[in-house]
Parts: sequence; structure tokens; C-alpha cells
Amino acid sequence: NAGVTQTPKFQVLKTGQSMTLQCAQDMNHEYMSWYRQDPGMGLRLIHYSVGAGITDQGEVPNGYNVSRSTTEDFPLRLLSAAPSQTSVYFCASRLQGAERTDTQYFGPGTRLTVL
Amino acid sequence: AQSVAQPEDQVNVAEGNPLTVKCTYSVSGNPYLFWYVQYPNRGLQFLLKYITGDNLVKGSYGFEAEFNKSQTSFHLKKPSALVSDSALYFCAAALNTGFQKLVFGTGTRLLVSP
Repeated sequence: NAGVTQTPKFQVLKTGQSMTLQCAQDMNHEYMSWYRQDPGMGLRLIHYSVGAGITDQGEVPNGYNVSRSTTEDFPLRLLSAAPSQTSVYFCASRLQGAERTDTQYFGPGTRLTVL
Repeated sequence: AQSVAQPEDQVNVAEGNPLTVKCTYSVSGNPYLFWYVQYPNRGLQFLLKYITGDNLVKGSYGFEAEFNKSQTSFHLKKPSALVSDSALYFCAAALNTGFQKLVFGTGTRLLVSP
């Protein structure tokens, strides 16, 4: 298993540009999520999905879109990048169910800078 | 608002000594609590969780955590620290019973000196 993979590892954007951060997992996990990590703020949930075709907002969803057309992929789209979106983005996946929280795996992260 | 606090930005401990990383929580209803560890340039790794049952929870790599309802705390502990334990540690709480939404503390950097 490759686990959770994220591409790209690093990205620099100009204000107003759009881009998609890719996330894929090969563990057949139902639940996938996106977090952003900022200095001194811990991780904050952006969006999550409990299965193909089902997504919901997290704590900081504004400026981001997601879709889940397959179990494996959960891309995060920035429609019009802003400097406030400079952050490290982590994708995570796990099996559904409270008893499966110990199966949660995080990807290696994407470091995004918006100029 | 539901939240998790980690009052120490950094904890320094000598190898072989016991370590404690503090976490307090403020959640409505039954608390569901977690500890994660992050090594440099890596994603978070699950260490342990408290859902219900014994107040002392054992996890990976020799870590354990003590749940204290009266003090609303969930401190991470290890009897004998290793240099390889040096990393960033996050406490988290689930905001819903499905555990889809987690709120994280700001993290505590643990530095274990030889």
C-alpha cells in the first residue's frame, strides 16, 4: 500500500490563481479529510467526506472546494488563491466508525505559498 | 466553543527521565480525545485515544495518557524518554460522535536531550 499520497509537495501561487491539491489513498478508506496547519494554530479541518459523492464542511471551508467522485481520490480546489491561504495542507483518511479512529493516516503534506 | 489547549509550546526532558505533555479540553458531552505525533516533514501519526473505559490509556511507542474528568485533562506521559521521541505532539478532541470533525491543540514540541 502506498498509504495517503499528496501532490504536489510544494507550490507557489500568485494571488488570484487557482489550483487543485491532489490526495489519493489505496486503503479503501471511506472517510477522507483536508486540514491546514498554520504556526501556533494546530490543524484546522477544511472539508471532509464520508464516502463517494458525500462531502461536508469543516471549521475553515471558505475559499476551498472539494468533490469525491471515487473512494480513492479527494482533491482540494482553491478557486482564487489569497495570501491567507499560505499554509501546509494535510490530507487524511481512515475507515468509518468511531472504533476505527486509530486507522487514520495522514499524507506527507503540501506546502503552499501564495504571493 | 469546544476547544483543546496545550499550555506548553515546548517541553525539555533528559533521556531516561519521565515526560509529561499537558492537554486540557473543553467539549460538551462525553469527551473523545486523541494524541498524535508529527515528525519533521511528515504527516501526523496516531498515538492513542480515549473513548470510554479506563482512565489510563496505553498507546504506541510506550506512551500512555491519563484522562481526568474533574480536571478536564488528558496528559500524555512516558516513563522513560528517548531522544527519538523528540517531535511535535498534538492533542485533539472529536466534535461529533462520528469522529469526522476533530479540533486540535496548538501542539507541543518535545525535545529530549541525550
